[in-house]
Amino acid sequence: DGGITQSPKYLFRKEGQNVTLSCEQNLNHDAMYWYRQDPGQGLRLIYYSQIVNDFQKGDIAEGYSVSREKKESFPLTVTSAQKNPTAFYLCASTPWRGREQPQHFGDGTRLSIL
Amino acid sequence: QKEVEQNSGPLSVPEGAIASLNCTYSDRVSQSFFWYRQYSGKSPELIMSIYSNGDKEDGRFTAQLNKASQYVSLLIRDSQPSDSATYLCAVNWNGNQFYFGTGTSLTVIP
Repeated sequence: DGGITQSPKYLFRKEGQNVTLSCEQNLNHDAMYWYRQDPGQGLRLIYYSQIVNDFQKGDIAEGYSVSREKKESFPLTVTSAQKNPTAFYLCASTPWRGREQPQHFGDGTRLSIL
Repeated sequence: QKEVEQNSGPLSVPEGAIASLNCTYSDRVSQSFFWYRQYSGKSPELIMSIYSNGDKEDGRFTAQLNKASQYVSLLIRDSQPSDSATYLCAVNWNGNQFYFGTGTSLTVIP
Protein backbone atom coordinates (compact mmCIF):
# COMPACT_ATOMS: atom_id res chain seq x y z
CA ASP A 1 0.00 0.00 0.00
CA GLY A 2 1.19 3.47 -0.81
CA GLY A 3 1.54 5.89 2.01
CA ILE A 4 3.71 7.94 4.31
CA THR A 5 5.68 6.20 7.04
CA GLN A 6 6.91 8.08 10.05
CA SER A 7 9.22 6.57 12.64
CA PRO A 8 9.57 6.18 15.48
CA LYS A 9 6.04 6.55 16.83
CA TYR A 10 7.38 7.74 20.20
CA LEU A 11 10.72 9.41 20.87
CA PHE A 12 12.39 10.74 23.97
CA ARG A 13 15.11 13.35 23.94
CA LYS A 14 17.70 14.01 26.60
CA GLU A 15 18.98 17.46 27.42
CA GLY A 16 21.46 18.68 24.81
CA GLN A 17 20.71 15.86 22.41
CA ASN A 18 19.82 16.04 18.73
CA VAL A 19 17.20 13.59 17.53
CA THR A 20 16.07 12.72 14.00
CA LEU A 21 12.52 11.89 12.94
CA SER A 22 12.14 9.80 9.83
CA CYS A 23 9.59 10.37 7.06
CA GLU A 24 9.40 8.14 3.99
CA GLN A 25 6.77 8.14 1.25
CA ASN A 26 6.16 5.78 -1.65
CA LEU A 27 3.46 7.90 -3.28
CA ASN A 28 5.88 9.50 -5.75
CA HIS A 29 4.90 12.89 -4.34
CA ASP A 30 7.05 15.90 -5.11
CA ALA A 31 6.38 18.10 -2.11
CA MET A 32 6.92 17.12 1.51
CA TYR A 33 6.22 19.01 4.72
CA TRP A 34 6.91 18.89 8.44
CA TYR A 35 4.42 20.24 10.96
CA ARG A 36 4.40 20.57 14.70
CA GLN A 37 1.17 20.26 16.70
CA ASP A 38 0.90 21.23 20.34
CA PRO A 39 -2.06 20.13 22.50
CA GLY A 40 -5.25 21.89 21.50
CA GLN A 41 -3.49 23.69 18.67
CA GLY A 42 -3.49 23.57 14.91
CA LEU A 43 -0.58 22.56 12.72
CA ARG A 44 2.39 24.88 12.40
CA LEU A 45 4.75 24.52 9.45
CA ILE A 46 8.41 23.83 10.26
CA TYR A 47 9.95 23.14 6.84
CA TYR A 48 8.80 22.11 3.38
CA SER A 49 10.48 20.84 0.25
CA GLN A 50 9.20 20.84 -3.31
CA ILE A 51 12.12 19.11 -5.03
CA VAL A 52 15.18 17.10 -4.12
CA ASN A 53 18.03 19.08 -2.56
CA ASP A 54 15.85 22.11 -1.97
CA PHE A 55 13.77 23.13 1.04
CA GLN A 56 12.29 26.26 2.61
CA LYS A 57 11.72 27.39 6.16
CA GLY A 58 8.22 27.54 7.51
CA ASP A 59 6.92 29.65 10.36
CA ILE A 60 8.79 27.90 13.18
CA ALA A 61 12.06 26.60 11.68
CA GLU A 62 14.35 27.73 14.48
CA GLY A 63 15.92 24.76 16.27
CA TYR A 64 15.11 22.34 13.46
CA SER A 65 16.95 21.14 10.35
CA VAL A 66 15.98 18.99 7.36
CA SER A 67 17.48 17.37 4.29
CA ARG A 68 15.99 16.13 1.01
CA GLU A 69 18.56 13.90 -0.64
CA LYS A 70 15.96 11.57 -2.12
CA LYS A 71 12.45 12.22 -3.37
CA GLU A 72 11.07 9.60 -1.00
CA SER A 73 12.70 10.83 2.19
CA PHE A 74 12.49 14.03 4.25
CA PRO A 75 14.03 13.55 7.72
CA LEU A 76 13.66 16.20 10.42
CA THR A 77 16.34 16.79 13.05
CA VAL A 78 15.29 18.43 16.30
CA THR A 79 18.44 20.07 17.59
CA SER A 80 19.41 20.96 21.14
CA ALA A 81 18.68 24.57 20.20
CA GLN A 82 14.98 23.75 20.24
CA LYS A 83 14.26 24.32 23.93
CA ASN A 84 10.65 23.18 23.93
CA PRO A 85 10.52 20.19 21.58
CA THR A 86 7.68 18.29 23.25
CA ALA A 87 4.95 18.02 20.60
CA PHE A 88 3.31 15.80 18.01
CA TYR A 89 5.25 15.95 14.72
CA LEU A 90 3.47 15.29 11.45
CA CYS A 91 4.97 14.69 8.03
CA ALA A 92 2.84 15.31 4.95
CA SER A 93 3.17 15.20 1.18
CA THR A 94 1.37 16.36 -1.95
CA PRO A 95 1.65 15.04 -5.50
CA TRP A 96 2.78 18.31 -7.07
CA ARG A 97 2.45 22.02 -6.61
CA GLY A 98 -0.98 22.17 -8.17
CA ARG A 99 -3.39 24.17 -6.12
CA GLU A 100 -6.03 21.51 -5.83
CA GLN A 101 -3.92 18.76 -4.33
CA PRO A 102 -4.60 17.98 -0.66
CA GLN A 103 -1.95 16.92 1.78
CA HIS A 104 -1.59 13.31 2.88
CA PHE A 105 -0.29 12.71 6.40
CA GLY A 106 1.80 10.10 8.12
CA ASP A 107 0.78 8.72 11.52
CA GLY A 108 3.02 11.14 13.40
CA THR A 109 5.83 11.00 15.93
CA ARG A 110 5.29 12.05 19.52
CA LEU A 111 8.42 13.61 20.99
CA SER A 112 8.96 14.14 24.71
CA ILE A 113 11.81 15.36 26.89
CA LEU A 114 13.37 12.98 29.41
CA GLN B 1 0.29 37.36 7.96
CA LYS B 2 -2.06 34.78 6.53
CA GLU B 3 -4.57 33.55 9.08
CA VAL B 4 -7.14 30.81 9.26
CA GLU B 5 -9.60 31.06 12.10
CA GLN B 6 -12.01 28.55 13.53
CA ASN B 7 -14.25 28.53 16.55
CA SER B 8 -12.45 26.16 18.92
CA GLY B 9 -15.71 24.93 20.43
CA PRO B 10 -16.43 22.54 21.90
CA LEU B 11 -19.47 22.04 19.74
CA SER B 12 -21.99 19.49 20.95
CA VAL B 13 -24.87 18.15 18.89
CA PRO B 14 -27.29 15.27 19.49
CA GLU B 15 -27.05 12.18 17.35
CA GLY B 16 -28.91 12.63 14.06
CA ALA B 17 -28.64 16.42 14.08
CA ILE B 18 -26.73 18.67 11.68
CA ALA B 19 -23.32 19.89 12.83
CA SER B 20 -22.12 23.16 11.33
CA LEU B 21 -18.43 24.06 11.41
CA ASN B 22 -17.10 27.39 10.19
CA CYS B 23 -13.75 28.76 9.07
CA THR B 24 -12.64 32.22 7.97
CA TYR B 25 -9.41 33.15 6.24
CA SER B 26 -7.57 36.38 5.73
CA ASP B 27 -6.12 36.28 2.24
CA ARG B 28 -8.30 36.92 -0.78
CA VAL B 29 -5.96 35.10 -3.17
CA SER B 30 -6.43 31.79 -1.37
CA GLN B 31 -7.05 29.11 -3.95
CA SER B 32 -8.11 25.85 -2.38
CA PHE B 33 -9.67 24.74 0.86
CA PHE B 34 -9.73 21.50 2.78
CA TRP B 35 -11.46 20.00 5.76
CA TYR B 36 -9.63 17.37 7.83
CA ARG B 37 -10.89 15.25 10.69
CA GLN B 38 -8.48 14.42 13.51
CA TYR B 39 -9.24 11.90 16.22
CA SER B 40 -7.43 12.32 19.52
CA GLY B 41 -3.82 11.17 19.23
CA LYS B 42 -4.11 10.48 15.50
CA SER B 43 -3.07 12.27 12.34
CA PRO B 44 -5.49 14.36 10.25
CA GLU B 45 -7.48 12.62 7.53
CA LEU B 46 -8.98 14.43 4.55
CA ILE B 47 -12.78 14.74 4.47
CA MET B 48 -13.53 17.32 1.81
CA SER B 49 -11.81 19.68 -0.59
CA ILE B 50 -13.41 22.66 -2.33
CA TYR B 51 -12.07 25.16 -4.81
CA SER B 52 -15.04 27.03 -6.30
CA ASN B 53 -17.77 29.12 -4.75
CA GLY B 54 -20.87 27.21 -3.78
CA ASP B 55 -21.64 23.86 -2.24
CA LYS B 56 -19.96 20.51 -2.65
CA GLU B 57 -21.62 17.39 -1.27
CA ASP B 58 -20.09 14.01 -0.46
CA GLY B 59 -22.34 11.64 1.44
CA ARG B 60 -23.28 13.19 4.77
CA PHE B 61 -20.77 16.01 4.32
CA THR B 62 -21.31 19.32 2.53
CA ALA B 63 -18.60 21.95 2.13
CA GLN B 64 -19.63 25.52 1.38
CA LEU B 65 -17.28 28.18 0.04
CA ASN B 66 -17.88 31.92 -0.20
CA LYS B 67 -14.76 33.66 -1.46
CA ALA B 68 -16.28 37.14 -1.35
CA SER B 69 -16.93 36.76 2.37
CA GLN B 70 -13.77 34.68 2.91
CA TYR B 71 -15.36 31.79 4.70
CA VAL B 72 -15.68 28.09 4.22
CA SER B 73 -17.97 25.82 6.21
CA LEU B 74 -18.58 22.11 6.71
CA LEU B 75 -22.01 20.64 7.40
CA ILE B 76 -22.35 17.13 8.75
CA ARG B 77 -25.84 15.72 8.37
CA ASP B 78 -27.23 12.88 10.49
CA SER B 79 -24.31 13.26 12.91
CA GLN B 80 -23.03 10.04 14.45
CA PRO B 81 -21.01 9.47 17.64
CA SER B 82 -18.15 8.35 15.38
CA ASP B 83 -18.05 11.91 14.00
CA SER B 84 -16.80 13.13 17.39
CA ALA B 85 -13.36 14.54 16.63
CA THR B 86 -11.52 17.78 15.97
CA TYR B 87 -12.10 19.27 12.53
CA LEU B 88 -9.30 21.26 10.95
CA CYS B 89 -9.75 23.79 8.19
CA ALA B 90 -6.80 24.19 5.81
CA VAL B 91 -6.19 26.81 3.15
CA ASN B 92 -3.70 26.54 0.31
CA TRP B 93 -1.92 29.55 -1.13
CA ASN B 94 -0.30 29.26 -4.53
CA GLY B 95 0.03 25.48 -4.33
CA ASN B 96 3.03 25.75 -2.01
CA GLN B 97 1.95 26.27 1.55
CA PHE B 98 -1.00 25.13 3.58
CA TYR B 99 -2.22 27.05 6.60
CA PHE B 100 -4.34 25.36 9.24
CA GLY B 101 -6.84 26.67 11.73
CA THR B 102 -6.64 25.55 15.35
CA GLY B 103 -9.56 23.20 14.86
CA THR B 104 -13.11 22.83 16.20
CA SER B 105 -13.84 20.05 18.66
CA LEU B 106 -17.12 18.28 17.90
CA THR B 107 -18.94 15.95 20.26
CA VAL B 108 -21.98 14.00 19.04
CA ILE B 109 -24.14 12.95 21.96
CA PRO B 110 -25.89 9.56 21.59
